[in-house]
Amino acid sequence: KQEVTQIPAALSVPEGENLVLNCSFTDSAIYNLQWFRQDPGKGLTSLLLIQSSQREQTSGRLNASLDKSSGRSTLYIAASQPGDSATYLCAAVGAYKYIFGTGTRLKVLA
Amino acid sequence: NAGVTQTPKFQVLKTGQSMTLQCAQDMNHNSMYWYRQDPGMGLRLIYYSASEGTTDKGEVPNGYNVSRLNKREFSLRLESAAPSQTSVYFCASSEETGSEQYFGPGTRLTVT
Repeated sequence: KQEVTQIPAALSVPEGENLVLNCSFTDSAIYNLQWFRQDPGKGLTSLLLIQSSQREQTSGRLNASLDKSSGRSTLYIAASQPGDSATYLCAAVGAYKYIFGTGTRLKVLA
Repeated sequence: NAGVTQTPKFQVLKTGQSMTLQCAQDMNHNSMYWYRQDPGMGLRLIYYSASEGTTDKGEVPNGYNVSRLNKREFSLRLESAAPSQTSVYFCASSEETGSEQYFGPGTRLTVT
């Protein structure tokens, strides 16, 4: 059974810092790995999808990597801003199932 | 392009009452999903519809029913609400199962 873990559960950093969020999954037989952002009281916004054949994806200040063999993905945020404060979730995507981690709550301090 | 829309945004029910949560997407996606999100437990899949005319159980289907009304719409019904169903419910869609998912804004349901 696929299990997805995100550590740390919460993180506070000063504005401008580069940071890495971690996502681990137990079953390497995934189709994709998707990263989301969730603001308080809102739905999930898709940030990046990494296909199983890819090693990384980039969008603006975000870079996500995938290492299937070790069961790990990281989301790198460059030059963090207060507007980046949110909860970040990853999901390991199988044929029909999207298994979510419980998220990392990020606070970027001005 | 509204993406994924959900109604209502908030609902309070008494134990034993029934209600239907509505979801619609305008992205011509084949697959649609219903999740619930509870503190400390993350998102859990209730039901999904891989394509129009099909529905399948997810991780926590007990107490719920779904209808894929057409390609655009996927509804979730609670026949007899229980306090354990107090949660935030999200609808999502994707072009195919296993592809990028897009979420609606959610419905906050409280059952007293």
